[in-house]
Amino acid sequence: DTEVTQTPKHLVMGMTNKKSLKCEQHMGHRAMYWYKQKAKKPPELMFVYSYEKLSINESVPSRFSPECPNSSLLNLHLHALQPEDSALYLCASSQGPWDTIYFGEGSWLTVV
Amino acid sequence: GESVGLHLPTLSVQEGDNSIINCAYSNSASDYFIWYKQESGKGPQFIIDIRSNMDKRQGQRVTVLLNKTVKHLSLQIAATQPGDSAVYFCAEATNFGNEKLTFGTGTRLTIIP
Repeated sequence: DTEVTQTPKHLVMGMTNKKSLKCEQHMGHRAMYWYKQKAKKPPELMFVYSYEKLSINESVPSRFSPECPNSSLLNLHLHALQPEDSALYLCASSQGPWDTIYFGEGSWLTVV
Repeated sequence: GESVGLHLPTLSVQEGDNSIINCAYSNSASDYFIWYKQESGKGPQFIIDIRSNMDKRQGQRVTVLLNKTVKHLSLQIAATQPGDSAVYFCAEATNFGNEKLTFGTGTRLTIIP
């Protein structure tokens, strides 16, 4: 089983809203990731959590706030987003830093 | 800067034929490469990977070739099927493991019935 589950699948939010994207995996993976993908572009890394600690932040604006409540869950808190933040947000996980990264189906975010 | 790129943005192949998708990379320190398939509206799906101590790796209907001399890798798909239509990304792992995967620009493969 290589399933990474993301909710919601679609989200529309205003620029003053606060919302969260959620990600869950039950594969015992110790590394979890957030990627952002714009239309017709490759995924771009945002954050990496390793053993529930933030290990990589790719200079992401503070209006995106990641959280790893436990080894199975990863959240991305959204606040004061801009329309250009509209994209597909992908969660992924891997057993460790040298193991295959498996992606979820993504959450489509539209900021209006 | 370092980049992972693809030679062709689109590729059309007749059903049943073999397809080859190419990828060039420029970071000579990269030692782990992965091919992902992304269907419309879905997340990237792992296809096959290869480490730099190998030249070739085979999976089910897929083969990845790595040429470190010219920093090039390719994905070969045998006997293509309509379900193979998707965007294919190569990805490159940086020095400290694949925590920082860098994706190429992608190739859209269309299978013609």
